[in-house]
Amino acid sequence: QVQLQQWGAGLLKPSETLSLTCAVYGGSFTGNYWTWIRQSPGKGLEWVGEINHSGNTNYSPSLKSRVTISVDTSTNQFSLRLTSVSAADTAVYFCARRRVAARVFDFWGQGNLVTVSS
Amino acid sequence: QPALTQPPSASGSPGQSVTISCTGTSSDIGTYHYVSWYQQRPGKAPQLLIYMVNQRPSGVPDRFSGSKSGNTASLTVSGLQSEDEAEYFCSSYAGANNHVFGTGSHLTVL
Repeated sequence: QVQLQQWGAGLLKPSETLSLTCAVYGGSFTGNYWTWIRQSPGKGLEWVGEINHSGNTNYSPSLKSRVTISVDTSTNQFSLRLTSVSAADTAVYFCARRRVAARVFDFWGQGNLVTVSS
Repeated sequence: QPALTQPPSASGSPGQSVTISCTGTSSDIGTYHYVSWYQQRPGKAPQLLIYMVNQRPSGVPDRFSGSKSGNTASLTVSGLQSEDEAEYFCSSYAGANNHVFGTGSHLTVL
């Protein structure tokens, strides 16, 4: 069974950098894409970006200038950095596994609430 | 990338069937067969219900089914049960290594 466990700072000030990490347990780390998805309070889901084991990344066009996703294959972990945050970035951030062929998010982390407030 | 459009709410009585729509464009749902549906309970992560329009992962009851016509995908929940009360989201591949989600629909079991 695949499990994703995520952690990171939950309270940021405007202009700071958001940093979250997700560890993957079980399953194949090399055969999938590893994704970050966020959900603003009371709103829908938003795809942020993804990375594979080789470091190939894809980012949401609306966030591309501020997002960096990195991977550490020695520990089966991947990380999200989002720079220059504002209140609009307040959300629950989820990590998830995306199966390559089916383009589906089949396993999710527990989510982290990140609040941006001065 | 604009979100896919879902009705904010849907409802039905136990045992009935309910269908939730998900409307996109010719750039996402209309072109790609990569539509998926997720169930989310309060405070929890979404859980996969349907992928590739109409495929069910193992463990998902066959009361849940999916379909697509043109730019609109649909999720049908048959034989409604109280435990089906939750938020439902659709998702589609949108080309150029981009993915888009729906606005979400809250299903109430009356």
